[in-house]
Amino acid sequence: EAEVAQSPRYKITEKSQAVAFWCDPISGHATLYWYRQILGQGPELLVQFQDESVVDDSQLPKDRFSAERLKGVDSTLKIQPAELGDSAMYLCASSERRGGYEQYFGPGTRLTVT
Amino acid sequence: AQSVTQLDSQVPVFEEAPVELRCNYSSSVSVYLFWYVQYPNQGLQLLLKYLSGSTLVESINGFEAEFNKSQTSFHLRKPSVHISDTAEYFCAVSDLFSGGYNKLIFGAGTRLAVHP
Repeated sequence: EAEVAQSPRYKITEKSQAVAFWCDPISGHATLYWYRQILGQGPELLVQFQDESVVDDSQLPKDRFSAERLKGVDSTLKIQPAELGDSAMYLCASSERRGGYEQYFGPGTRLTVT
Repeated sequence: AQSVTQLDSQVPVFEEAPVELRCNYSSSVSVYLFWYVQYPNQGLQLLLKYLSGSTLVESINGFEAEFNKSQTSFHLRKPSVHISDTAEYFCAVSDLFSGGYNKLIFGAGTRLAVHP
């Protein structure tokens, strides 16, 4: 069964350092999402891609976060510099098409900023 | 914009007892609703979804949820829980925005703890 891949699974970094997360969606899925899940809360959408284009990044802290999906397949989310409040689970999801209601989630990357 | 309220942050229950996890959403003309389950240090798995049609939807592992438009609710139920059902459960609503895109708005989650 096809799955969304994410790496690394766990990342510990010091504040002010740069960190990057990678996501490979299910093959053929045009829409890709990055969510942030703070401990004890539900996931919150950071950025949504349709192919290589950003369609929603209204909740992305653009002063320190960036995301790209250059070839419309895999994607990278970067934080620079990391802050203590960035400690969270970062989840990637994909769906088959624009407006597709079923999203498939990867295992997530647990980030701890010290 | 849509919002989702999960009324219980934690629900303890004994094995083989029934359980209900409550979810309310803000009203909208049309709405699509979901329940996801998350096991420790894992991603979210879709449990069940309501898109249209019958207001009662079921999952393969015995959970069911009923869409109630008048009460803007989508409560999750199971008549007899198992230890393995212990997990975090998230209710979500699909929020449509311009261009035909949609995003999921999640509730804060309910931790279901099943005790022997």
